[in-house]
Amino acid sequence: AQSVTQLGSHVSVSEGALVLLRCNYSSSVPPYLFWYVQYPNQGLQLLLKYTSAATLVKGINGFEAEFKKSETSFHLTKPSAHMSDAAEYFCAVSEGNQGGKLIFGQGTELSVKP
Amino acid sequence: GAGVSQTPSNKVTEKGKYVELRCDPISGHTALYWYRQSLGQGPEFLIYFQGTGAADDSGLPNDRFFAVRPEGSVSTLKIQRTERGDSAVYLCASSLTGDGVTDTQYFGPGTRLTVL
Repeated sequence: AQSVTQLGSHVSVSEGALVLLRCNYSSSVPPYLFWYVQYPNQGLQLLLKYTSAATLVKGINGFEAEFKKSETSFHLTKPSAHMSDAAEYFCAVSEGNQGGKLIFGQGTELSVKP
Repeated sequence: GAGVSQTPSNKVTEKGKYVELRCDPISGHTALYWYRQSLGQGPEFLIYFQGTGAADDSGLPNDRFFAVRPEGSVSTLKIQRTERGDSAVYLCASSLTGDGVTDTQYFGPGTRLTVL
């Protein structure tokens, strides 16, 4: 069975600092991996996805993530945090051949201090 | 164009009551998903529709939960004999084809269900 573990339920950074949100996955087949962001009172929005092409994936709002098979990781980064990045971030995995059913991690809340 | 919409945005009910939650997907999207998000947790898959049929209902927790999509567009999630543990935000998502590789799921804002 597939699963996702997000290390750290809360991460706090200063504005302008590096953002690093950690995600490790477990999958018996080559995974498809996603990062979603959830702003308060809004629906989940796709940031980026890995579908077995390039291992470094660039997304919206300056975020990127690198797929590392040897580490079973798909960590999300952004070089310089902005106040508007404060939100809940979810990592998710899919097997791709089951109608795109997503298995989500428990989420990481990102706070950005001025 | 319009995104995924869900009604009501909030629903408060009493234990034992029946509730219906509605999802309007993006026009033309054949795939529709229901997820449940409990406080402090990530969304949990419930059911996936391809057109009018439920292609995967493995996430429904028990037979009190049922969902329909009779015309391949709007879907209704139905919960019978609600329990306090059913309190959560119910999320709906739709995608163009249901292809897990090329498609993107677009999520609605959710319905917050509170069972007293």
